Order: sequence, then C-alpha cells, then structure tokens
Amino acid sequence: AQSVAQPEDQVNVAEGNPLTVKCTYSVSGNPYLFWYVQYPNRGLQFLLKYITGDNLVKGSYGFEAEFNKSQTSFHLKKPSALVSDSALYFCAVRDDKIIFGKGTRLHILP
Amino acid sequence: DAGITQSPRHKVTETGTPVTLRCHQTENHRYMYWYRQDPGHGLRLIHYSYGVKDTDKGEVSDGYSVSRSKTEDFLLTLESATSSQTSVYFCAISASGGTSGKETQYFGPGTRLLVL
Repeated sequence: AQSVAQPEDQVNVAEGNPLTVKCTYSVSGNPYLFWYVQYPNRGLQFLLKYITGDNLVKGSYGFEAEFNKSQTSFHLKKPSALVSDSALYFCAVRDDKIIFGKGTRLHILP
Repeated sequence: DAGITQSPRHKVTETGTPVTLRCHQTENHRYMYWYRQDPGHGLRLIHYSYGVKDTDKGEVSDGYSVSRSKTEDFLLTLESATSSQTSVYFCAISASGGTSGKETQYFGPGTRLLVL
C-alpha cells in the first residue's frame, strides 16, 4: 500500500538560511510526488510536482524538491528562507490515488 | 483559489442534524474531491467524483454522502452530524485523476464545521 511520511511536525529556520522539509514515500509503482503549502485560513496551494525526468524539480516562490529514488525521498528545499515562507507544508504521493502527509509546520525566525 | 468556492465558510450545528456543504467550480474540471483536515492527520479523502453522477468513497467516508448533479457542483452531506465530524472541510478539483500529469489538485478556501 502506498504511504507518505513527513517525519518532522515542525521545522524552525532563521531567515536567510537554507531550509529543508523532509518527505519519504512508499509506492508499488512509479511515484508521482507533490508539495503543497497552506497559509493560515486558506486552502492548500500547489508548489511543485515530480512526474518523471530530472530529479531536481523547481516550483513556485523559489522552492525546489529533490527526488531520490534509492532513498524514496522527496525533500522540499529553498536556498534562503523568508519570514513569509512560514506556513504548513504537505507532501503528497500518487499511486492509484493521492495520499497526503500529516504536514510540517515551517517557522522562519526573523 | 483557482475558481473554487465553498459554502458556507463557517457553520455551527448540533449533533443529530443534517448538514450539507457545497463546492462550486468554474474551471469545468472533471474531478472533484472532499477532504477533511484535522490536527495530526493531515488531509484525508472523504469522497471524490470523476464525473456527473459518478462518485466513489475515500478513506473516511462513513457518515458522509455526496452528490454531483452538475459538473460545477459537488455536495457533501452529513446525514446526522456527530461531534467527531467537527473539522475543516476542503474541496479540491483536478483536470485528471489518472496519471496524465494533469492531476494537480486545486483547493477551495475551506469550511469550518463545529458540531456541538
């Protein structure tokens, strides 16, 4: 059965530092992987996705994610964090249907 | 929010009463979804629709029913609301539910439901 895990409930990063939000997955076939962001009192917004091709995927707001098949991971990254990046981030995987992780709350400290 | 509206945005109701939430889209997308979001659980799929009058269950469908009589509207009904159904409910749409690469989901603003 497919699954997705976000091992950290919360990540704190100082503004200007690089950030990483972790995601690991398990699927029986080729994975389709997604990252979404949720700002307070809003619905989820699509950031980026991996379907096939280059392992480094670039998305909205300067975010990127690296697909690592051997480690079954799809970590979200950004070279320099902004306070406005503070939000709840969800990883999702699609095999026969989309499953979302439980979310990681990202705090960027000024 | 990608041409998706949800109504009502907030609702307080009592245990045992029926509740209907509405999702309306202007994108003419085929697929529509209802999720609930709860702390510690992330998003969980309740029901989804792959066309007019075509629906299927998600992982937490007990106590919920859905209907889709038009492409643009997807209704979620709690037949007899319980306190465990207190949650934030999100509707989502996608152009495809398959593996075509078009399955990116776009979410509505959510409905906060409190069942007393």
